[in-house]
Amino acid sequence: QKEVEQDPGPLSVPEGAIVSLNCTYSNSAFQYFMWYRQYSRKGPELLMYTYSSGNKEDGRFTAQVDKSSKYISLFIRDSQPSDSATYLCAMSAAFSSASKIIFGSGTRLSIRP
Amino acid sequence: GAVVSQHPSWVICKSGTSVKIECRSLDFQATTMFWYRQFPKQSLMLMATSNEGSKATYEQGVEKDKFLINHASLTLSTLTVTSAHPEDSSFYICSANVPPTEAFFGQGTRLTVV
Repeated sequence: QKEVEQDPGPLSVPEGAIVSLNCTYSNSAFQYFMWYRQYSRKGPELLMYTYSSGNKEDGRFTAQVDKSSKYISLFIRDSQPSDSATYLCAMSAAFSSASKIIFGSGTRLSIRP
Repeated sequence: GAVVSQHPSWVICKSGTSVKIECRSLDFQATTMFWYRQFPKQSLMLMATSNEGSKATYEQGVEKDKFLINHASLTLSTLTVTSAHPEDSSFYICSANVPPTEAFFGQGTRLTVV
């Protein structure tokens, strides 16, 4: 069993739709939860991070963490064609300069105009 | 914000030659950097952890003699793919953590071995 499971998609939705992306994990030691966005042939860039359980909102993006279920989500409201990318969930038990981050396989998202 | 610069962004080399990829932290010191490999439509696979002034730590299944890592300064780590073969063709990405929360990634290097 992988430490982090993520549906690879692809996921295609019309512009303006609400998108829900999810990951499950098995390591209860994970405390830091992150979502990265990666455009084709580019390095990933951080979208959002959450420490422990709870919700966090940033503009059209909302991240949720449910540690009791070992389940995290990223919601995108009013999706735009520019949101089309691969979204990677990531997590770690601690966050220092030497902490390893475990990534999900990534979900390819396409927003249709 | 912190910036990690990776060079080159793409390289084509002949089978049997070696290729060096550089990863620099531009505005912060990185005692640790990470090297990943990514195949098309797949996630990032951690290859090794690069430690300034000491040997790199390789993940299981990664050949240390094949993928040489040097971290000679607090701002530069290099990955050398030695005696490259077509199966080494991939997208290689480096990253460095800036606590408390963010990992910054380089732009990635697309290696094609012909």
